[in-house]
Amino acid sequence: ETGVTQSPTHLIKTRGQQVTLRCSSQSGHNTVSWYQQALGQGPQFIFQYYREEENGRGNFPPRFSGLQFPNYSSELNVNALELDDSALYLCASSRGQENEQFFGPGTRLTVL
Amino acid sequence: DQQVKQNSPSLSVQEGRISILNCDYTNSMFDYFLWYKKYPAEGPTFLISISSIKDKNEDGRFTVFLNKSAKHLSLHIVPSQPGDSAVYFCAASYNAGNMLTFGGGTRLMVKP
Repeated sequence: ETGVTQSPTHLIKTRGQQVTLRCSSQSGHNTVSWYQQALGQGPQFIFQYYREEENGRGNFPPRFSGLQFPNYSSELNVNALELDDSALYLCASSRGQENEQFFGPGTRLTVL
Repeated sequence: DQQVKQNSPSLSVQEGRISILNCDYTNSMFDYFLWYKKYPAEGPTFLISISSIKDKNEDGRFTVFLNKSAKHLSLHIVPSQPGDSAVYFCAASYNAGNMLTFGGGTRLMVKP
């Protein structure tokens, strides 16, 4: 059984640029959630996709957007990057509406 | 407004002894609670969970206790091992499969 994978591992961007992060869900999982983890804090929910539809959104501005594909992989897009967007971005997958979510290793984004 | 709080940023325990990690929550809608362990440069790993209809759940060396009236849960690790040294996050959710709300984490150090 393949776990959750994310790419890239690390990324450096400058303020104002756009970034796309990618996630492949664990085999058999059709729900993907994205979280932002700032240094020294717990992960914060960005949004969730279930069967290619957004299924909940946290307190993040519209410049954070996402997609889920028919194979249940997902993308997180962030436009007009700000310095405060520097964080670890975590993707988690789950089966349907089960509570247990399984996380990937994350993408470390640095905005200069 | 932090709905899930872990008030101890760090905890140091001797190998073989019990580790007790605590978590408090404010939102009475939460009906499912999870503990995750996180090593540096890795994503959070699911450890154990508990539904609000229970007050205890055990899995090997790990036991989670839930006190709904106090809105408090704890994770007990017995016996503690050096490999348990990591950051532990508690998380809560409501409406099965919904977003996870995380605490800020507790760094556990188990000394040989």
